[in-house]
Amino acid sequence: RKEVEQDPGPFNVPEGATVAFNCTYSNSASQSFFWYRQDCRKEPKLLMSVYSSGNEDGRFTAQLNRASQYISLLIRDSKLSDSATYLCVVNRRSGNTPLVFGKGTRLSVIA
Amino acid sequence: SQTIHQWPATLVQPVGSPLSLECTVEGTSNPNLYWYRQAAGRGLQLLFYSVGIGQISSEVPQNLSASRPQDRQFILSSKKLLLSDSGFYLCAWRGTGRAFFGQGTRLTVV
Repeated sequence: RKEVEQDPGPFNVPEGATVAFNCTYSNSASQSFFWYRQDCRKEPKLLMSVYSSGNEDGRFTAQLNRASQYISLLIRDSKLSDSATYLCVVNRRSGNTPLVFGKGTRLSVIA
Repeated sequence: SQTIHQWPATLVQPVGSPLSLECTVEGTSNPNLYWYRQAAGRGLQLLFYSVGIGQISSEVPQNLSASRPQDRQFILSSKKLLLSDSGFYLCAWRGTGRAFFGQGTRLTVV
């Protein structure tokens, strides 16, 4: 089983739609969780961290379910500029151990 | 503030030629440094990470090696490139949980 698994998509949604991505991880010892965004041919950039209680940043909501070992990202009121690949990222253990990246979910927001 | 520099941005190399990619970090000391590779249409694969000078951990056996000659310098090398080494190489450092990436080197082996 892969350490981090995501649906590769693509998700093609109209502007204004709500879209959700899920990600599962295999290592129950994982301590830190993130969503990164990667634009075409660019480096990944942090979108948001994911906290146990769930957290929101504007139109973006992230949630963590430790029992089922998955995290989710919800995007409300999609904009054209949200088109990108969204990477689920997990820390293997506590501290600055390597981050493991999922392969990403591609989102295309269509006018 | 911390910044990470990676160069060159693009590189075209013939099969069998050597490779050296350099990454430097500014504004922090004793950073944890990482090399990732992203093949076309695929996810980020961790290649090497380093927690200090001279300390290198390799994630997968391959045609590449890494070195950390100075605290803020991380180098990715190969003696003889293969076609399968083509990809997008990203250097990253880890601070307070999150990772910061350099702008990447797009390597094409021909």
